[in-house]
Amino acid sequence: DAKTTQPPSMDCAEGRAANLPCNHSTISGNEYVYWYRQIHSQGPQYIIHGLKNNETNEMASLIITEDRKSSTLILPHATLRDTAVYYCIASSRGGSYIPTFGRGTSLIVHP
Amino acid sequence: DAGVTQSPTHLIKTRGQHVTLRCSPISGHKSVSWYQQVLGQGPQFIFQYYEKEERGRGNFPDRFSARQFPNYSSELNVNALLLGDSALYLCASSLDRAWETQYFGPGTRLLVL
Repeated sequence: DAKTTQPPSMDCAEGRAANLPCNHSTISGNEYVYWYRQIHSQGPQYIIHGLKNNETNEMASLIITEDRKSSTLILPHATLRDTAVYYCIASSRGGSYIPTFGRGTSLIVHP
Repeated sequence: DAGVTQSPTHLIKTRGQHVTLRCSPISGHKSVSWYQQVLGQGPQFIFQYYEKEERGRGNFPDRFSARQFPNYSSELNVNALLLGDSALYLCASSLDRAWETQYFGPGTRLLVL
């Protein structure tokens, strides 16, 4: 799996957009970008994934740069319940299966 | 629908003992994966089982073993416990080998004294 780099922490005001960056400069052509989050004392929760096109679902949007070396997870209207550690993972689907979670970004949403 | 369930929720053991952790996947999911999460770090992949066979293994010693049963539930066994085995052990299930939408359980918190 490609190595990813994320800032250790970020903060955001409630109601504002939270933009979480991830660098994956060594990503290969068949590797997807996945985002998970982990709220304190719970298991990680899948958010979104993408290959090269921007993706949007009910939770978030994923913007992947054209060269695929970085991406941004966007929470359009952050709430206090979005306070969590966010993990960015670059991995191929199926095949060799060793997903690697780094330390992620600790997002704190404040009132 | 029930999510991934794990038992027990908490466990205290002493060094040298053995522990068995259990996981029931979401109904219809055939793949179960195990992760270890040490405080302050992200989850580290231990095993994946699919259709009752080991399909992937992380960098963990042979003291760690697992199996998957015909009903797709799974057990993680750890022998000769060390203090460093204290962690949150997470189980995740998915429909098939591809893991793009794994669903995680709440975890079992193991403390080794």
